[in-house]
Amino acid sequence: DIVMTQSPFSLAVSEGEMVTINCKSSQSLLSSGNQKNYLAWYQQKPGQSPKLLIYYASTRQSGVPDRFIGSGSGTDFTLTISDVQAEDLADYYCLQHYSSPYTFGAGTKLELK
Amino acid sequence: EVQLVESGGGLVQPGRSLKLSCAASGFTFSNYYMAWVRQAPTKGLEWVASITNSGGSTYYRDSVKGRFTISRDNAKSTLYLQMDSLRSEDTATYYCTRDATVFDYWGQGVMVTVSS
Repeated sequence: DIVMTQSPFSLAVSEGEMVTINCKSSQSLLSSGNQKNYLAWYQQKPGQSPKLLIYYASTRQSGVPDRFIGSGSGTDFTLTISDVQAEDLADYYCLQHYSSPYTFGAGTKLELK
Repeated sequence: EVQLVESGGGLVQPGRSLKLSCAASGFTFSNYYMAWVRQAPTKGLEWVASITNSGGSTYYRDSVKGRFTISRDNAKSTLYLQMDSLRSEDTATYYCTRDATVFDYWGQGVMVTVSS
């Protein structure tokens, strides 16, 4: 199974700041066939189901604000949230959808400083 | 609008069975793989099982193989998860999700508590 190591575990920020969340996979998520990285990012607010933010490492899901930026390739990936808003306070998870079983990172809790 | 609505959760004793359902609407159900993902209380997300669009192939995480069965009825646009020989470690919120290469839409989740 591919192991996803996500960091940090938690992050305290003020509104307007920029934050980065990292995810490292135990093997490459880059498909040689289509040159896409099979890495997704989700946001989960308390009491809600996860919401897809980013897929193929950097493609924003429809309706997701452009302050959410995904980057990286191979085994190292980053979710950057610029100009953090109060509504962004949530748990964030990475997911590798390269090979079964799909595996998630342990999550990062974004809190208000 | 894509909607996934789970049902069938509840409190069950260890060793007993439970069957979850997920009613889908707003898309052509038979065109998509589907999956179940669970989340234990205060824990992270864990893929449980997937099924191809025709239902011809199924996939499970090791810890549920032989105990859980994923199935679907394309005529009813409904996904199922039959859970047998339940254990305390199966206690979680179970989410139905559409697998469009990535899990793009999720239901609201249904709670399953395994306890005596």
